[in-house]
Amino acid sequence: EIVLTQSPGTLSLFPGERATLSCRASQTVSNNYLAWYQQKPGQAPRLLIYGASSRAAGIPERFSGSGSGTDFTLTISRLEPEDFAVYYCQRYGTSLITFGQGTRLDIK
Amino acid sequence: EEQLVESGGGLVQPGGSLRLSCAASGFTFSNYEMNWVRQAPGKGLEWLSYISSGGAAIHYADSVKGRFTISRDNTKNSLYLQMNSLRAEDTAIYYCARRFDLWGQGTMVTISS
Repeated sequence: EIVLTQSPGTLSLFPGERATLSCRASQTVSNNYLAWYQQKPGQAPRLLIYGASSRAAGIPERFSGSGSGTDFTLTISRLEPEDFAVYYCQRYGTSLITFGQGTRLDIK
Repeated sequence: EEQLVESGGGLVQPGGSLRLSCAASGFTFSNYEMNWVRQAPGKGLEWLSYISSGGAAIHYADSVKGRFTISRDNTKNSLYLQMNSLRAEDTAIYYCARRFDLWGQGTMVTISS
């Protein structure tokens, strides 16, 4: 089973700053089947990125994904107030789908 | 509008059973694979189960294999999760998700005596 480890656990930044979130897999993620989600309190998760770097429908361009193999990154180029939330990475496309433990992005 | 609405959650005693439903609308349900995901209070996301569009392929997380059963009725645009032998650690919000690009609002399941 692939384990996804996200870092940092919590990231505190000011609006307007750049956020870089990391997701490291214990084994190679085949076909770059790696997704990123945003979750706000009391809400369901929202798909941001799939295939490691493809933005989902309606997701602003300030969100971008990169990486391959075992190391993946979600970058938010310029933080807006609504971006402060918890972010999860996910490995999909197999019979055992796994999520990372999450990174909390807090307003500084 | 594309929508998923879960129902069937509630308070159940340990060892009990519960059946969750997920009603789909606004899209052709029979074309899409579906999943169940849960989130314990204050914790992260845990994938539970997958079912293919026609129902032929099914997968489970080890934590629920043998206790939970996923199914679907494409004539009723509905997804189900039969949960048996429930434990305190099954307490969570349960979400259905279409290919993970569309999620329901979740239904709360509490296992307690």
